[in-house]
Amino acid sequence: NAGVTQTPKFQVLKTGQSMTLQCAQDMNHEYMSWYRQDPGMGLRLIHYSVGAGITDQGEVPNGYNVSRSTTEDFPLRLLSAAPSQTSVYFCASSRTFRSHEQYFGPGTRLTVT
Amino acid sequence: QQPVQSPQAVILREGEDAVINCSSSKALYSVHWYRQKHGEAPVFLMILLKGGEQKGHEKISASFNEKKQQSSLYLTASQLSYSGTYFCGTAGGGADGLTFGKGTHLIIQP
Repeated sequence: NAGVTQTPKFQVLKTGQSMTLQCAQDMNHEYMSWYRQDPGMGLRLIHYSVGAGITDQGEVPNGYNVSRSTTEDFPLRLLSAAPSQTSVYFCASSRTFRSHEQYFGPGTRLTVT
Repeated sequence: QQPVQSPQAVILREGEDAVINCSSSKALYSVHWYRQKHGEAPVFLMILLKGGEQKGHEKISASFNEKKQQSSLYLTASQLSYSGTYFCGTAGGGADGLTFGKGTHLIIQP
């Protein structure tokens, strides 16, 4: 099992550009989520999904879109990148978000200039 | 809302004990604890469920007071490898995902 994979590992964008951060898991987990991590702010939930075709907003969803067309994949789209979106992004998956261990991907370090 | 963790940082000597606290303003179904080393992804430590069930795989203990919506993580006889940032995550009864606190930085000195 590869677990949770994220691509790319590093990315530099210019303000206004769009891009998609990829996340995939091979554990047949129903729950997937995206977090951003900024110094002193902890892990903040952006969007999450409790199954294919179902997504919902977390604490900081503005500027991001998600979709979940398959159980395995949960891409995060930045529509028009802003310097405030400079952060480390983690994708995570689990059987359920309440009762099971979250498996985190290695993270994507994004810089918006 | 993010759960609140305290303290923000702790510096210990090897072998000393530490307690990290986590509190929430909402009714909780479960509390999760993770540790993150610099430059790495968070790693699972333990889950505490409403009703008393605990799941974990390290020699670290924790408590969960459902009525007060609080949890504490107990690190006894700390080792150098315990250094890192500890996060608590909380899940309520609704479908609102798992939210994490801002973290507690733990430094263990020899």
